Amino acid sequence: ILNVEQSPQSLHVQEGDSTNFTCSFPSSNFYALHWYRWETAKSPEALFVMTLNGDEKKKGRISATLNTKEGYSYLYIKGSQPEDSATYLCACNQGAQKLVFGQGTRLTINP
Amino acid sequence: KAGVTQTPRYLIKTRGQQVTLSCSPISGHRSVSWYQQTPGQGLQFLFEYFSETQRNKGNFPGRFSGRQFSNSRSEMNVSTLELGDSALYLCASSLTAEQFFGPGTRLTVL
Repeated sequence: ILNVEQSPQSLHVQEGDSTNFTCSFPSSNFYALHWYRWETAKSPEALFVMTLNGDEKKKGRISATLNTKEGYSYLYIKGSQPEDSATYLCACNQGAQKLVFGQGTRLTINP
Repeated sequence: KAGVTQTPRYLIKTRGQQVTLSCSPISGHRSVSWYQQTPGQGLQFLFEYFSETQRNKGNFPGRFSGRQFSNSRSEMNVSTLELGDSALYLCASSLTAEQFFGPGTRLTVL
């Protein structure tokens, strides 16, 4: 059974600070790693899909790295803004379209 | 381009009833997946349909079923509702690896 873990569960950060959190997954039979941002009362929004060891992806102030050999991915947010407040989910594929999600990291940006 | 839509957005049922939820994918997307989110369990995969065929299935009882139509719209049915079925049900459509989620249907079972 694929088990995806995220840490920390929640995080409070001052506006302007940078932050990062972790997603851990089994390194065997890896297919792809997904990051989503989920704001309250909205749909989960896809941030990144990564497949190759060493992948680094960036979207504005948010970036992610992937290490498939050791089974982890980091999500970084540079210069946090209040609009970054959301739950950040990572998920691994178990089968082409079958995503296994972590419990998420709830990020709160304090103005 | 219209996103994934789900109807209804909110639903209240009583134990023992059945319910059908609907999902319309992004135009051109042929894969539709369903997920259940409960406070204690996070997002859990229910099943995935592609070209009207169930391609993947999660670990849910047989009371949970689904289908997909020729226009890729999908429905999910839960029979004999239990209190524990109260959850947010999300569907997602995809063309490639990236999945696009709808706003969800909040089901409350009384």
